[in-house]
Amino acid sequence: SAVISQKPSRDICQRGTSLTIQCQVDSQVTMMFWYRQQPGQSLTLIATANQGSEATYESGFVIDKFPISRPNLTFSTLTVSNMSPEDSSIYLCSVEKGQETQYFGPGTRLLVL
Amino acid sequence: KQEVTQIPAALSVPEGENLVLNCSFTDSAIYNLQWFRQDPGKGLTSLLLIQSSQREQTSGRLNASLDKSSGRSTLYIAASQPGDSATYLCAVKGGNNRKLIWGLGTSLGVNP
Repeated sequence: SAVISQKPSRDICQRGTSLTIQCQVDSQVTMMFWYRQQPGQSLTLIATANQGSEATYESGFVIDKFPISRPNLTFSTLTVSNMSPEDSSIYLCSVEKGQETQYFGPGTRLLVL
Repeated sequence: KQEVTQIPAALSVPEGENLVLNCSFTDSAIYNLQWFRQDPGKGLTSLLLIQSSQREQTSGRLNASLDKSSGRSTLYIAASQPGDSATYLCAVKGGNNRKLIWGLGTSLGVNP
């Protein structure tokens, strides 16, 4: 199993600012995933973060808007840049372990005014 | 393109009832299927994972089945309890790109 923590748990931000979300895992993992869950929508994968290389972004997501760091095998950050109200969402960090079971952090609830 | 649908979107049952949640997917070429529960402020918890070669998995009062040919999975919850109240999500991992495709979930309320 894996225990994942995220900071902050929630935040209210002003339009045009940036927020960095931290994700910490209790064991070393190769890949970490960042998801977004907008109100009334299913989870959407933003990017996959690999240690020692640039993150791989999904269609519709770009590094300038969602820069990701992965400095070691237990930690990653996702920054939501130049925020707008459309970025209001729950952001979730996830890892895969065992028989490809996916484990999730508690999420970061972001409201952009 | 894989699409995952969950029915019903919401369900309310009295405590003690047995219930079935449904998940359907359009592309049968899957690697595995997972059921999760989501509690407000607590992220997602993996309940059951079914590999493409398996037909069902059981954990306690939960039983998940998989029928790849018809593109369906069901999550059976026996003797429901108020603590089962949550949103249940189905996610399918593709056979080719190994990415998880998610349903919108079923919001379950179990009334004491």
